[in-house]
This record gives sequence, structure tokens and C-alpha cells, in this order.
Amino acid sequence: GAVVSQHPSRVICKSGTSVKIECRSLDFQATTMFWYRQFPKKSLMLMATSNEGSKATYEQGVEKDKFLINHASLTLSTLTVTSAHPEDSSFYICSARDGSEGGEQFFGPGTRLTVL
Amino acid sequence: SQKIEQNSEALNIQEGKTATLTCNYTNYSPAYLQWYRQDPGRGPVFLLLIRENEKEKRKERLKVTFDTTLKQSLFHITASQPADSATYLCALDFTGGGNKLTFGTGTQLKVEL
Repeated sequence: GAVVSQHPSRVICKSGTSVKIECRSLDFQATTMFWYRQFPKKSLMLMATSNEGSKATYEQGVEKDKFLINHASLTLSTLTVTSAHPEDSSFYICSARDGSEGGEQFFGPGTRLTVL
Repeated sequence: SQKIEQNSEALNIQEGKTATLTCNYTNYSPAYLQWYRQDPGRGPVFLLLIRENEKEKRKERLKVTFDTTLKQSLFHITASQPADSATYLCALDFTGGGNKLTFGTGTQLKVEL
């Protein structure tokens, strides 16, 4: 149980284009979903927290107009990187919680974004 | 600001031995401390969670300790196997609600035959 999927797993795009990444909880309803970014050999950096039906809460330094997050249902959250530039190239990972006490997060497999 | 330190150097051990990884933090203690495993190019996988009022937690070959006086957690893998080779991340939850985890940089473990 507690499976989270991400799509696509890998995307290459040209500078200036927008890229949408989907995160789905497959066998549970995710009350909260999280988006992280990870650089090589670095830790996961939380970008934003989203609750179904409400606006995402962004971490300090993360541009909300650059990284659009939509959490339209209890099983789906999307991250759109708008007008992507090479410095946006990174590994993006989503996670989800089912609301149970304890707080463990279930992570998706990640999306490798390369902006040319 | 809160800092989380994990040994950045890779840990190489022989199969069958016990691997011990450390996670040190500064300032105040988290309500929960979690350990995750991450394989290259993959998302982290949850392993164990320990609460601030617990000193030790076990799950099969895994054991986690939490010392709020030392501000340290130790993660042990007994009877290690090559399949245990991965990067292990500690994550601190200061809010207690699981809504914000702060991750360490992880320690790479390599178990050799």
C-alpha cells in the first residue's frame, strides 16, 4: 500500500517552455502533498506544501508564479514549472501523507527535468 | 538556524557486519525523527519513525535510537547485505504533524561482499 506515482519520470525541454509534472496517490487519499527539489549529492529541499482544494504554501525563496501547484483532488497534485530555464534543471520529487498520526511521507519516484 | 548533519563520507562495510549511521542536529529537538532510504535516481522510501519520548525502535534488521540530550539519532543495520547499499537520509519533524520534514544530506552506505 501507500504507493505514489509521478509522471513523467524524465523530461527534456527547451528554455522558455512550461513543464507539468503529475503526482498521484494510487491506493490512498492524500490529505497533503509535498513537492521537493533535489540537486546531485544534496538533500531534499521542500518547495511547497499543498492541501486538497486550497492554495499551496510555498517555502521561503520559492517563486509561486514560477512553480505553480494545483491539488485538485485527494489523489492528484500537479507542479508546473513555467518558462523553464537551465537553472531549473533538477530532480523533482513529490510525496504524500494520508493524514495518519506519525507523519511518514510516501514519495514518488521523482522526475528528472533537463532544460536546454 | 536548525542544522542537520549526516556523515557526508560514504560508509563501506563488509557483508554481515552492522552498519551504524549518525544523524546530529542543533538547537531544539524534533517531535519525530524519521529515516529514509534513497536509491540513485529514485524517491526516498520510509523506513522508521521514532518519537522524542522514545529511545529506541526496531524493525527487522533495523534499529534506530534517539538521544535528545546528545541531539543525535543512530541508525543501525544488522547482518548487512549488498542489497542494503543505498543513501540513508534522516528527516526531522519539528511540528509533530508530519507536515514539514527537514532532511539531512544523507550518508551513502556500501556493503561489500
